[in-house]
Amino acid sequence: AQSVTQPDARVTVSEGASLQLRCKYSYSGTPYLFWYVQYQRQGLQLLLKYYSGDPVVQGVNGFEAEFSKSDSSFHLRKASVHWSDSAVYFCAAGQTGFASALTFGSGTKVIVLP
Amino acid sequence: NSKVIQTPRYLVKGQGQKAKMRCIPEKGHPVVFWYQQNKNNEFKFLINFQNQEVLQQIDMTEKRFSAECPSNSPCSLEIQSSEAGDSALYLCASRTGEQYFGPGTRLTVL
Repeated sequence: AQSVTQPDARVTVSEGASLQLRCKYSYSGTPYLFWYVQYQRQGLQLLLKYYSGDPVVQGVNGFEAEFSKSDSSFHLRKASVHWSDSAVYFCAAGQTGFASALTFGSGTKVIVLP
Repeated sequence: NSKVIQTPRYLVKGQGQKAKMRCIPEKGHPVVFWYQQNKNNEFKFLINFQNQEVLQQIDMTEKRFSAECPSNSPCSLEIQSSEAGDSALYLCASRTGEQYFGPGTRLTVL
């Protein structure tokens, strides 16, 4: 069965500190991978995506993620967080093809302390 | 930023009542998805469409849920007889490549 695991339910960091959110996937083949952010139970906003090629992908607002096939991981990073980064972050995976629904992890709530 | 529009943003229904929500996908996005996000942040794929045709749907959708994406009209998701367990955030997404999500309709079933 396909699955996405985010082992950390909650992460607390100080403003200006670095952030890493972990994501592991279990998929047949190599899936397309995404990170989304959700503020205050609103809709999901796409931060970045990985389809193929360079394993380090850049996203919006200074976020980047690194794909590792050997580790089945797609960890998200930010060098210096701002209080506005407080939100819930979801890792998601999907297969090629327009009909492919996404499989989501359970989310990591990030709290940025002033 | 996503241009997927969902209405209403909030919906409150009693048990057994119908609940209907709408989605206007981004222009030029041929595929539309509906997901349910519960209070534990678990996502469940419900149904998807390419143009007006259903591509995939789960069993739950086949029973009390109905959905359509008519030409030149908003897509819609309707729950025929709401149950307390249907209380959730319903997200619509459209795609060409990656999926872009609307703000969601938060359904509360009393």
